[in-house]
Amino acid sequence: AQTVTQSQPEMSVQEAETVTLSCTYDTSESDYYLFWYKQPPSRQMILVIRQEAYKQQNATENRFSVNFQKAAKSFSLKISDSQLGDAAMYFCAYRSSQGMRFGAGTRLTVKP
Amino acid sequence: GAGVSQSPRYKVAKRGQDVALRCDPISGHVSLFWYQQALGQGPEFLTYFQNEAQLDKSGLPSDRFFAERPEGSVSTLKIQRTQQEDSAVYLCASSLGYTSGGTYEQYFGPGTRLTVT
Repeated sequence: AQTVTQSQPEMSVQEAETVTLSCTYDTSESDYYLFWYKQPPSRQMILVIRQEAYKQQNATENRFSVNFQKAAKSFSLKISDSQLGDAAMYFCAYRSSQGMRFGAGTRLTVKP
Repeated sequence: GAGVSQSPRYKVAKRGQDVALRCDPISGHVSLFWYQQALGQGPEFLTYFQNEAQLDKSGLPSDRFFAERPEGSVSTLKIQRTQQEDSAVYLCASSLGYTSGGTYEQYFGPGTRLTVT
């Protein structure tokens, strides 16, 4: 079974600074997809960024980028130039033909 | 509508009552997923539909949980004889494509917060 581990229950960052959220996963599959989702308080979960396992190039979406280390089964999210609106729960997710599995989440606080 | 909608947004049930939670996916989306999110945790997969077919129900915690999607659009998650441990947010998500292969994004609804007293 696949498992997703987020070892940082809470993280804090100063506005305009950079923060990295960690995620590791366990799988024996070679074809899968990884995602970071953001869940603001009392709001819907939205996709931040996705990564296909077969791609070596790290995905980037504006201020959000990932560091995908397939051999190490690591998938961290870097948020640059943090903004107050980035404050939320962030979930790392693994998706294969057997469905989607989420980590327990990291609560990100952005300090003005 | 433009996104996935769920109703009711909040539901309080007395232990032992039956509840029904509704999900309206994005029009044209083939796949529909239900998740259970306990307080402070990540979503846990419950079940998956491809059109009207329930292809995976391995995450349903007990036979008190039942889901259907009879016409391949709206889905209902029913919980019979609710227990306190059923208290959680129930999330619905829909996706344009199929589970296997592809990077089709799952679009999530706002969730239904169920409290069993």
